[in-house]
Amino acid sequence: DQQVKQNSPSLSVQEGRISILNCDYTNSMFDYFLWYKKYPAEGPTFLISISSIKDKNEDGRFTVFLNKSAKHLSLHIVPSQPGDSAVYFCAASEYSGAGSYQLTFGKGTKLSVIP
Amino acid sequence: NAGVTQTPKFQVLKTGQSMTLQCAQDMNHNSMYWYRQDPGMGLRLIYYSASEGTTDKGEVPNGYNVSRLNKREFSLRLESAAPSQTSVYFCASSETLRNYGYTFGSGTRLTVV
Repeated sequence: DQQVKQNSPSLSVQEGRISILNCDYTNSMFDYFLWYKKYPAEGPTFLISISSIKDKNEDGRFTVFLNKSAKHLSLHIVPSQPGDSAVYFCAASEYSGAGSYQLTFGKGTKLSVIP
Repeated sequence: NAGVTQTPKFQVLKTGQSMTLQCAQDMNHNSMYWYRQDPGMGLRLIYYSASEGTTDKGEVPNGYNVSRLNKREFSLRLESAAPSQTSVYFCASSETLRNYGYTFGSGTRLTVV
């Protein structure tokens, strides 16, 4: 059973508009959430994160919102640019001992920003 | 550039052959991970090493073995490759401060025929 769910496999947005990517989780032990961006033939790269004690974190055009009661987070990209076209993975972290944190990933959402 | 280096980038194996995927990081990270990515499945954890000298199973460990050779290197071995192991394999590393998540390598695309 999936602990991190991204229910939209793909999303298309016009350049300059807002992109909203959604993620739901089921494990209450997750205490840190991250978004990764992945271009074809490259490894995922870290984009933005949020601690479970916060409800919003902003970094330039990227904002992540967390609703703990609903076990839901979202990534907002404003304004969207063609270079944002990529697969976005939601990930959730829990402590796995000895200073290590395991990440559980969603299946990803492919964002296409149309010029 | 500093980061995570994976070799090889591409590999084709016949069913039953063995091979080792290599991973090295130069960021002095304590923890290292192996993930596989399959279409429609996202990234799934195979094995991880919390620190030098320790390894643990992840979500999908069957058919794989790992070795944490030293703090820098973490290898993944397929003893008898099967077509179900056709995938893209990513190595990642992290330090104890998790604010910035993992650093990933660029991946190894493995095809088992």
